[in-house]
Order: sequence, then structure tokens, then C-alpha cells
Amino acid sequence: GQQLNQSPQSMFIQEGEDVSMNCTSSSIFNTWLWYKQDPGEGPVLLIALYKAGELTSNGRLTAQFGITRKDSFLNISASIPSDVGIYFCAGLSGANTGNQFYFGTGTSLTVIP
Amino acid sequence: DTGVSQDPRHKITKRGQNVTFRCDPISEHNRLYWYRQTLGQGPEFLTYFQNEAQLEKSRLLSDRFSAERPKGSFSTLEIQRTEQGDSAMYLCASSLVGSSDTQYFGPGTRLTVL
Repeated sequence: GQQLNQSPQSMFIQEGEDVSMNCTSSSIFNTWLWYKQDPGEGPVLLIALYKAGELTSNGRLTAQFGITRKDSFLNISASIPSDVGIYFCAGLSGANTGNQFYFGTGTSLTVIP
Repeated sequence: DTGVSQDPRHKITKRGQNVTFRCDPISEHNRLYWYRQTLGQGPEFLTYFQNEAQLEKSRLLSDRFSAERPKGSFSTLEIQRTEQGDSAMYLCASSLVGSSDTQYFGPGTRLTVL
């Protein structure tokens, strides 16, 4: 199946610092989604990207759909303690594989107050 | 609350027993998905429905697993003869056709098989 490589696997940062994480694929995707998941809960949608090159913001979060359509980036500015959690990217490749989303393995974020 | 809901939130069962989970999608959403997530991994696709039709099933969905969405609204996922390897979080998501399949997840059902 499709493989999504998400990096870094984990991050420990000081409150107020900016965070960057990315997701790469061996295949072209038509849609990229970024989710945040807290322990014992389902993933919560943060940002959806639908076009190559698209740059979308949601508060302190900014995500980009890579030009090659094989990668995506998520940035968090001025991190705060409630940013702690696991961040997942998810990609949808389209017709040949139905409507199946593939998820990365997650980036675990710890924010030190 | 009009989000995706799942019931139960937690289930503990003995090996060999059957379990059934329920998912209620966002009311106007016509697509419904089931995923399985194990510790330290991202969700893995199991199956999805458009209205009442089951359109795709993953190879992960063994013949012990069956999913239904009889009236195109809520869905059930049944696991027969549970095994310890079935222990995982089972997530349901829904989306609206024409919205680029942006999926919204429920809180999940945590299954523990003893």
C-alpha cells in the first residue's frame, strides 16, 4: 500500500518556539489533511489542502500542499502547552485507489512550559 | 453536538467473543469510514460506505469482520471470534461527497481483548 513518511517522529520544544513537521509520499496525492490527536480521542481535523502549492492557515497553524503533490508541511508558530499531542498527515490519492486515505505514523509534540 | 459519535467508547472482552460497535456520522454526510489504530501508529483504513453501499474493503478486514450501514445513516462494525490481535482503537469518520472527502472523526471505541 501507500507509504507516508512523517518526520520528525517526536519533538520536544520550549513554549513559544515555532514547530515544523512534514510528510512525504512515494505517490502523488490529490488531497492532504492534517489532524491532531489527543490520547484516547479521535483525530481532530486541523487543515485541509486540495491544490498543489496551496498554503492555508488556521490561527497559528499553517500548512502547505507541496508542488510535486508528494509532500506537505505543517508549521505551528509560538507554541503553547495545549499544542501537545500527536499530529498526523493524511493523503488521498484518488481514483485508482478508491477513496482511501493513508495516514502517516504521526509526530508526537511535547511543549515544555 | 452534531459531530460523529461512537458507542461504546471502551469495550473489554474475552478472546473468542463477538463484539459490535456503532457509529453515527454527521447527519448530512453520505460517506462513512472505519479505521483501526494501534498504539504508535496512524489510523489504517478498513472499509467505507457511500450511503448504504459498502464500496471498498481493505485486506485488513478479515472474514471475522463485517460492517453494515443498512439505512445509509448509522453503521455497525462486528468482530466475530475476537483475538488478542484485534485489540486496538476503532475509529469512524464521515464525509460529504463533493467536499473533497474531508473526513471528520469520532472519538473512537477502544477494544481490549483479554
